[in-house]
Amino acid sequence: SQQGEEDPQALSIQEGENATMNCSYKTSINNLQWYRQNSGRGLVHLILIRSNEREKHSGRLRVTLDTSKKSSSLLITASRAADTASYFCATVPGQNFVFGPGTRLSVLP
Amino acid sequence: KAGVTQTPRYLIKTRGQQVTLSCSPISGHRSVSWYQQTPGQGLQFLFEYFSETQRNKGNFPGRFSGRQFSNSRSEMNVSTLELGDSALYLCASSLMPTQETQYFGPGTRLLVL
Repeated sequence: SQQGEEDPQALSIQEGENATMNCSYKTSINNLQWYRQNSGRGLVHLILIRSNEREKHSGRLRVTLDTSKKSSSLLITASRAADTASYFCATVPGQNFVFGPGTRLSVLP
Repeated sequence: KAGVTQTPRYLIKTRGQQVTLSCSPISGHRSVSWYQQTPGQGLQFLFEYFSETQRNKGNFPGRFSGRQFSNSRSEMNVSTLELGDSALYLCASSLMPTQETQYFGPGTRLLVL
């Protein structure tokens, strides 16, 4: 089973609504990162939250981390059609990055 | 700074052939990682290079190999291609290995017929 698993697998919302994605992981981590991937392209780093942080903001993004529950959430506020993409959480449980299967977000105009 | 570049962007090969993919990291980045992305398996780690040395290798057969040059550019090679090797191959660079934020290239889409 994977270190990081996102939930839900797919999410459709209307433009202007908020989107929340969750990530669960299994082992202790130093940090957790979120990446975005537009269809068939490379991943773009969105935000990194360290294990001693509980919440972090970047523009319309808000990430929370609960190390006791081994989970993180990514909130995108006031979504736009351009936010349509797949979102992945990534951790480093050993010596290399492990990505979850991703949440596919569709923002409808 | 220019971003991570990967060549070629698209490639069609037949079973049994071999292929070499190239990755040029962001200037100053010394760590390069490779990933395979497929609809069924998601993003899977292939290997990581730092200062011309392979630091880690994922769970892939020996047909998958790579190397890194003194200018940090990296290549990966897949020999005896199989249909299941069809995937998007992503390269990512970072200043230092693993714990740092990774910057991804656009990927090479490989189709094996």
